[in-house]
Amino acid sequence: DGGITQSPKYLFRKEGQNVTLSCEQNLNHDAMYWYRQDPGQGLRLIYYSQIVNDFQKGDIAEGYSVSREKKESFPLTVTSAQKNPTAFYLCASSDRDYGYTFGSGTRLTVV
Amino acid sequence: RKEVEQDPGPFNVPEGATVAFNCTYSNSASQSFFWYRQDCRKEPKLLMSVYSSGNEDGRFTAQLNRASQYISLLIRDSKLSDSATYLCVVSNYGGSQGNLIFGKGTKLSVKP
Repeated sequence: DGGITQSPKYLFRKEGQNVTLSCEQNLNHDAMYWYRQDPGQGLRLIYYSQIVNDFQKGDIAEGYSVSREKKESFPLTVTSAQKNPTAFYLCASSDRDYGYTFGSGTRLTVV
Repeated sequence: RKEVEQDPGPFNVPEGATVAFNCTYSNSASQSFFWYRQDCRKEPKLLMSVYSSGNEDGRFTAQLNRASQYISLLIRDSKLSDSATYLCVVSNYGGSQGNLIFGKGTKLSVKP
């Protein structure tokens, strides 16, 4: 079945540590996105990529980095510069004809 | 002014009730409009797109008023399974490309 796979489902990070969240899609979508959701808040855009080898900052890119070396993959690195990384991270992809599809999310907690 | 605003609720309604959610958006150039449903600790899922002429999908009816920059969702004959958070979503691009802008969501709780 086609879809988006995010891993891991739960992730614990120590202070000062970089961690990478995986996002893989087999939908052949060109565009991919990373959103962050805090409790009681809407989703906020971190980074997005409309095509391989190109990506753009969203509204809250500070402390995050991404790469888009393959169409299927859009990993997000949460760096030590992100001072409040505890949140629910959602990856999505989109296609003009079939709309947006979200992964099941990664819950990141700083310990 | 926030880009997409919704009443956070919660809306507590009995089974069988009709409930309406409203949403306003600030960018008059917005092109596409959606309602998403998000269950607790899960990813959002598309409930329905919203068209200028209004559209219906079973018990759900969505309306768009571009002049007032206002979107609504009506749920008739509420079911227990309708309990969720409903997200109003706007895109400044046509179709399904471009970034989505999410409201904070309206929480619905349907009681027996």
